[in-house]
Amino acid sequence: DGGITQSPKYLFRKEGQNVTLSCEQNLNHDAMYWYRQDPGQGLRLIYYSQIVNDFQKGDIAEGYSVSREKKESFPLTVTSAQKNPTAFYLCASSISRGGSPLHFGNGTRLTVT
Amino acid sequence: DAKTTQPPSMDCAEGRAANLPCNHSTISGNEYVYWYRQIHSQGPQYIIHGLKNNETNEMASLIITEDRKSSTLILPHATLRDTAVYYCIVRVVGAAAGNKLTFGGGTRVLVKP
Repeated sequence: DGGITQSPKYLFRKEGQNVTLSCEQNLNHDAMYWYRQDPGQGLRLIYYSQIVNDFQKGDIAEGYSVSREKKESFPLTVTSAQKNPTAFYLCASSISRGGSPLHFGNGTRLTVT
Repeated sequence: DAKTTQPPSMDCAEGRAANLPCNHSTISGNEYVYWYRQIHSQGPQYIIHGLKNNETNEMASLIITEDRKSSTLILPHATLRDTAVYYCIVRVVGAAAGNKLTFGGGTRVLVKP
């Protein structure tokens, strides 16, 4: 089955540690996205990439970093500079044609204590 | 992107049609209306989108008013599995804009037996 895989589903880290969230897609989509969701809130865009080796900041990029070395993969690193890292992180992908719907993974719930 | 306004919550009876309203009074001529839903602790799922004509697919129907300032998502026969948060999003479609979406708070729909 084609889809987006995010792993792990739950992740626990100590404050001050960097952590990398995995996102892999086998849909052959050019574009990939990272969103953050806090309890009872909508999604906020962290970073997006429309093509390999290129990415842009979203609305809340501070404290995060990404890479896009392969079409299938778009890992997100939550750095120690992110002040409130505990959240639900969602990865999505789409074809590049304007207006194409986004396909989402099932998220990684990160807890930092 | 134009701002949308949705009721924070609504209930509907199982087997009945669910009509979810969305106001987007500042929508511009090149903005589409998208609907996604998010079942608890999962990634959002694309439902439908449209520009000015009414649209229907296997999941739902989208009715857009003639002035395009509001729309209604219709789930024709709601089931308990339709309990979710439903997001209405308006988005400019074009190569430069990309496909990134801005999510608001959505409508929390509870389908009751």
